[in-house]
Amino acid sequence: NAGVMQNPRHLVRRRGQEARLRCSPMKGHSHVYWYRQLPEEGLKFMVYLQKENIIDESGMPKERFSAEFPKEGPSILRIQQVVRGDSAAYFCASSPRASGGAESYEQYFGPGTRLTVT
Amino acid sequence: GIQVEQSPPDLILQEGANSTLRCNFSDSVNNLQWFHQNPWGQLINLFYIPSGTKQNGRLSATTVATERYSLLYISSSQTTDSGVYFCAVVNTGTASKLTFGTGTRLQVTL
Repeated sequence: NAGVMQNPRHLVRRRGQEARLRCSPMKGHSHVYWYRQLPEEGLKFMVYLQKENIIDESGMPKERFSAEFPKEGPSILRIQQVVRGDSAAYFCASSPRASGGAESYEQYFGPGTRLTVT
Repeated sequence: GIQVEQSPPDLILQEGANSTLRCNFSDSVNNLQWFHQNPWGQLINLFYIPSGTKQNGRLSATTVATERYSLLYISSSQTTDSGVYFCAVVNTGTASKLTFGTGTRLQVTL
């Protein structure tokens, strides 16, 4: 059973360009989470999606960032007009079941995409 | 939001030594996970342990949810144990987002 897959593993963009990061969850998982890790810091939650729905985007910057998880295909994290401060590792995680309230389930992480903005 | 504190922030061990890492959290949780981030940046799941005790080889973990802390034990440490150890929790009643601690950076020397 393949784990969470992310691509590309490394991405270099010039300031002002767009970055697209892809995440394929584990087989059978329909819940996807994106986290960002700035250099020398811990991971910070960005967004939680289920198929075709954004459940919680409280960690997403208000501008330039968007995420989707279509019915078919991987989840995409899109950053428009990148700036140097967007340089970070972006991790995707998936979990198998719906959660909320009193229930929560283990999240499995992908290898991350390291974005460098020059 | 929930606060997650880890101690110690840095730890240097000789190979073969044992260590205990601590994670304190400020509110009730229904998910607690321990991760190892290796020197290449990969995040490895160690334990899913919202309560109780688990063991996996040289590693074990205990979470006492009522007292809002978790402990990660590493026995007979090896150089491959080096990296950063993160504790992460989901606050009960929230929509599953993990809140990470600041990590414990472990260096195991020969």
